[in-house]
Order: sequence, then structure tokens, then C-alpha cells
Amino acid sequence: QSALTQPASVSGSPGQSITISCTGTSSDVGGYNYVSWYQQHPGKVPKLTIYDVSKRPSGVSNRFSGSKSGNTASLTISGLQAEDEADYYCCSYAGSSTYVVFGGGTKLTVL
Amino acid sequence: QVQLVESGGGVVQPGGSLRLSCAASGFTFSSYDMHWVRQAPGKGLEWVAFIRYDGSNKYYADSVKGRFTISRDNSKNTLSLQMNSLRAEDTAVFYCCSGFHLYYFDYWGQGTLVTVSS
Repeated sequence: QSALTQPASVSGSPGQSITISCTGTSSDVGGYNYVSWYQQHPGKVPKLTIYDVSKRPSGVSNRFSGSKSGNTASLTISGLQAEDEADYYCCSYAGSSTYVVFGGGTKLTVL
Repeated sequence: QVQLVESGGGVVQPGGSLRLSCAASGFTFSSYDMHWVRQAPGKGLEWVAFIRYDGSNKYYADSVKGRFTISRDNSKNTLSLQMNSLRAEDTAVFYCCSGFHLYYFDYWGQGTLVTVSS
């Protein structure tokens, strides 16, 4: 059982927007602004997509955005494209004893 | 460009040991914190271990504490993970990652598969 809770799957049609939630506690997501998101296509290596809650690494499309409210972080993908179909994992810093926690992952299907 | 290349994976019996290595290139390895992250077959990501850029701090997930040891050789641009007392549940692809402290993982290697089975 993962420390952070994500929906197992979400879906959307091309051009639509979707949001993936990531729920933790005040000891991880809610306690620090160090949430990151990773995109993983089947058989591929995870790719950093969002860091520090809402920052995008160089080269990541501005269709990807991140936010946080209380103990829940969110990844929003706007203008869905077929290439966005992948697994998405959230991750959070969890303090000086647990250190790092991941969510269980969300499979995004583009209909 | 940044390259992280893992090696050392394979099949090992329960209770056995294995040493993973990660060769880094394309960036100033000695300036970067490094991690190992693993992914069991068909499962999600799990953080395993962290080492500070200068080797002064090391942190581990509870699931591997006391069994795994992370280390680095900045003169050889190499990260290592010594894994002892391996269990079936350690079966996974192990990724070498660079990161900013414990806050995110920006570059990932291709991974090396470790299978613990009798």
C-alpha cells in the first residue's frame, strides 16, 4: 500500500483537460512544497514532469501544470494528446524519518 | 548530455547478495545528490536510498534499512548499491537517479533488473 493515494485510472478525450489527484497527510504533501510528478510510458523510464508542486522542467509542455491544496496535490493536463497516455506517479518529501514517498500511480487513457 | 548507466543486476537466491553500479557522465557527478529508486514488475515506484553529493549523508527506506548500503566514488563518477540478505520482494528494476536533495529526481538511468528467486 502506497503512502500517497492516487486514482488507479483516469481517462479523457483528445483536447480535453484531466486532473490527477494525489492525497497524503500533513507529514508529507501537506507539510512541504516538495511534490513532484513523473510520467512513465509503457516499458520506458520515468520522466520528471513537475517538481516543487508546480514547476516545469525545461522541455516539458506547458499543458502540464501542478498545484496543491492542503494534503492533496494535483496534476492537470490540458489539451490532451494521444502521446499523454501513460502512467503518472506523484512523489513527496516526507521529512527526516520517512524521507520520500510515492503514490501508487495513475493510468491515463486518452480515448 | 546526462547519462546514467546501471549494471550488476541478475538472478540471485533469497538471502544472497548483489552489488549494483551506476556510471555517470555528461554532468559534474560530484556536485549532485544521487538516489536509487526501484519498481517491482507491474508495480509502482519505490524510493530506496539517497546519498549526498559528497557522501556525507545517506538515507534509506525502511524496507531496505540494514540490508542495503549506498555509496559513491566521485573520482570514478560511480554510484553503487550493495544489497545483502535479499528477499523475493526485492525483485524489481532498480533505477539510478540524480536529484536535488530528497525533493525530486531529475535524470534517470535505464534501470537494471534484479530477480530474487530460488
